[in-house]
Amino acid sequence: DAGVTQSPTHLIKTRGQQVTLRCSPKSGHDTVSWYQQALGQGPQFIFQYYEEEERQRGNFPDRFSGHQFPNYSSELNVNALLLGDSALYLCASSLYWGNTDTQYFGPGTRLTVL
Amino acid sequence: AQKVTQAQTEISVVEKEDVTLDCVYETRDTTYYLFWYKQPPSGELVFLIRRNSFDEQNEISGRYSWNFQKSTSSFNFTITASQVVDSAVYFCALSEAPYNQGGKLIFGQGTELSVKP
Repeated sequence: DAGVTQSPTHLIKTRGQQVTLRCSPKSGHDTVSWYQQALGQGPQFIFQYYEEEERQRGNFPDRFSGHQFPNYSSELNVNALLLGDSALYLCASSLYWGNTDTQYFGPGTRLTVL
Repeated sequence: AQKVTQAQTEISVVEKEDVTLDCVYETRDTTYYLFWYKQPPSGELVFLIRRNSFDEQNEISGRYSWNFQKSTSSFNFTITASQVVDSAVYFCALSEAPYNQGGKLIFGQGTELSVKP
């Protein structure tokens, strides 16, 4: 049973650049959520995708955008990178109409902005 | 507003000791879910336990147990006979509605557990 996978593992960018992070959900899941985890902090919700639409959004600027594909995989895009965007980006998958709303997380992508 | 507080920033124990991680939450909802996740140095958040607000029965699963008390808005987690492999950061989280649709998780700041041999 394939778990949640994310790519790349690490990424280094400079201020002002754009970045795309990718996530494949756990087998059988149809919903993908993205979280940002700054060093020493708990994860913060960015947004959630289901049926290729953004369903919920946290308190993040429009520089953060996403997409979900028909195979349920998802991308997180961040434009005009700031130093403060350096963090571990976690993807979580779940089943939208399941009996449980437990979200399962991937290993994360560590983004460093110089 | 919903909030999760983990007052313990760091805990250090010696192997085989029991350790309890504290979690206090705030919500105005009558239905909600609570979770504990473990984050080892590799970074991946590992799901441990889930509890819904209408089931206060406390359970034991192997070396893990939890104490859910709605009256005090607490959801504490205990590891019995700790092992070095239990060393990690532990997060308590509250699920915001819509609950059956993978509502967003609100995490505490985390408690770093160090188990020494």
